Amino acid sequence: DGGITQSPKYLFRKEGQNVTLSCEQNLNHDAMYWYRQDPGQGLRLIYYSQIVNDFQKGDIAEGYSVSREKKESFPLTVTSAQKNPTAFYLCASSFDRSSPLHFGNGTRLTVT
Amino acid sequence: SQKIEQNSEALNIQEGKTATLTCNYTNYSPAYLQWYRQDPGRGPVFLLLIRENEKEKRKERLKVTFDTTLKQSLFHITASQPADSATYLCALRGANNLFFGTGTRLTVIP
Repeated sequence: DGGITQSPKYLFRKEGQNVTLSCEQNLNHDAMYWYRQDPGQGLRLIYYSQIVNDFQKGDIAEGYSVSREKKESFPLTVTSAQKNPTAFYLCASSFDRSSPLHFGNGTRLTVT
Repeated sequence: SQKIEQNSEALNIQEGKTATLTCNYTNYSPAYLQWYRQDPGRGPVFLLLIRENEKEKRKERLKVTFDTTLKQSLFHITASQPADSATYLCALRGANNLFFGTGTRLTVIP
């Protein structure tokens, strides 16, 4: 079955630590995205990548970093510079920028 | 950037009735608009896409309309079932981003 896998489902970290969230897809999609979802707010775009070795900042990129070394993988690092990292993080992919998004089932990050 | 408003945070409806959810946007009209379903603790799942030159789109019990004059899309679920209970998100394409609304949580009461 094709799809997007995010791991782990729950992640706990202490303040000041960097943490990397995994996202893998086997849909052969070129475009991949990271969104953040907070209660009462719409999904907000952190970073997106349209092709391997290229990525662009979204609306809330500060305190985050990404890499796109392989088509299948788009890991997100939440750095200690992110002021409010506790959130539900969603990875998505699409065939191209105008196609609907396929989402993973998210990683809930809690930083204390 | 686009501002998107979905009519209400929560909507309760009796089983068998038609649920109608609203998505209003400001600024420019997008080339197309998408609707997604999200269950608790899960990622959104794509349902329907409607283009600006399409007035209406149907898929089984789902119907979407798109009025670029009113800057509004309506999402209908006919013959609603308890299994339709979820949060429904609308999304519009911007220059570099897909903007999402905050969603409407639909509860279908048996």
